[in-house]
Amino acid sequence: GDSVTQKQGQVTLSEDDFLFINCTYSTTTYPTLFWYVQYPGQGPQLLLKVTTANNKGISRGFEATYDKGTTSFHLQKASVQESDSAVYFCASPRAGGADRLTFGKGTQLIIQP
Amino acid sequence: NAGVIQTPRHKVTGKGQEATLWCEPISGHSAVFWYRQTIVQGLEFLTYFRNQAPIDDSGMPKERFSAQMPNQSHSTLKIQSTQPQDSAVYLCASSPDSLEQYFGPGTRLTVL
Repeated sequence: GDSVTQKQGQVTLSEDDFLFINCTYSTTTYPTLFWYVQYPGQGPQLLLKVTTANNKGISRGFEATYDKGTTSFHLQKASVQESDSAVYFCASPRAGGADRLTFGKGTQLIIQP
Repeated sequence: NAGVIQTPRHKVTGKGQEATLWCEPISGHSAVFWYRQTIVQGLEFLTYFRNQAPIDDSGMPKERFSAQMPNQSHSTLKIQSTQPQDSAVYLCASSPDSLEQYFGPGTRLTVL
């Protein structure tokens, strides 16, 4: 089965709303997890990474916390802006530390002005 | 730092023709990865190299796809006898340590 699972295909918010995007991982997933963001016409950009060492990643106002209890590392942002409109992917290296990434299906974030 | 460079950005081929896609990784990065992105399948791993050596090609369709990395400054993905189902965005990524991967803008392949 998949290493990471994103159930939300699309999220629509207004500016200054709180953002929460779900991602769960398999228990055999290698303990470094990533969030990527993709804008139209571009490749995915690394947004942040989370490891078991620090349990939390923060970048550009986004935050993800590693939660072993719920096997999740949801992406959050306190106040979204229109420029945050993009597709967000969670990803993990294949179990065992191999280098290829397995990506979730992606969540399209639409921010209404 | 120019980032990962992929050429061409767009390629249109007729069914049965060959397509060659190019990737120039970030200088100093030891690993190069190829992925394919479609609406239906999402982002799928194809193959990767470390220090120019092929490490894992388990995502490659065996019959018509091949990838090479003849030197540390570029890698190619070749698709022979292209089919409409090969239409996708092909993404190349490079990595300094095989964990954090940095993607290029992709090549959009359209097979008519």
